[in-house]
Amino acid sequence: KQEVTQIPAALSVPEGENLVLNCSFTDSAIYNLQWFRQDPGKGLTSLLLIQSSQREQTSGRLNASLDKSSGRSTLYIAASQPGDSATYLCAVTRSEKLVFGKGTKLTVNP
Amino acid sequence: GAGVSQTPSNKVTEKGKYVELRCDPISGHTALYWYRQSLGQGPEFLIYFQGTGAADDSGLPNDRFFAVRPEGSVSTLKIQRTERGDSAVYLCASSSQGSDTQYFGPGTRLTVL
Repeated sequence: KQEVTQIPAALSVPEGENLVLNCSFTDSAIYNLQWFRQDPGKGLTSLLLIQSSQREQTSGRLNASLDKSSGRSTLYIAASQPGDSATYLCAVTRSEKLVFGKGTKLTVNP
Repeated sequence: GAGVSQTPSNKVTEKGKYVELRCDPISGHTALYWYRQSLGQGPEFLIYFQGTGAADDSGLPNDRFFAVRPEGSVSTLKIQRTERGDSAVYLCASSSQGSDTQYFGPGTRLTVL
């Protein structure tokens, strides 16, 4: 059974800092890995999707990497802003369904 | 365009009651997914529809849970004889044919007293 772990569970940083969120998964036979953002009381917003054949994806200040063989992914956020405060969820898929980690709650302090 | 919508946004019910949760996917999306998110946890897969049929219902926890999508668009998640452990946020997502990206709705927060 696929298990996804995210470390740390919570992170608080000052504005402007670069930061890294970690995700690990137990079964490397995945189709893709996605990073989502969840704001309180709202649904999930897809940030980046990395296909299993890819190593990384970038969108603005966000960069996600994937090392499928070791079962790891990182989400790098550059020059963090208070508006980045949210819970970040990592999810992998082998079939149609997503398997999520518990998330990292990020707080960026002004 | 409109995103995925879910109604109601909040539902409070008593133990043993029946509830229905509705999901309106993005127009034209053929795939629809239901997930359940308990406090402090990531979403957990419940069921996946491709068109009108349930392609994978392996995540439904027991036979009290049932979902339908009769016309291949709107879906309803039905929970019979609700229990306090059913309290969670129920999320719906949809995706278009051939796409890996799932678009999520805001969820329905279910509280069973």
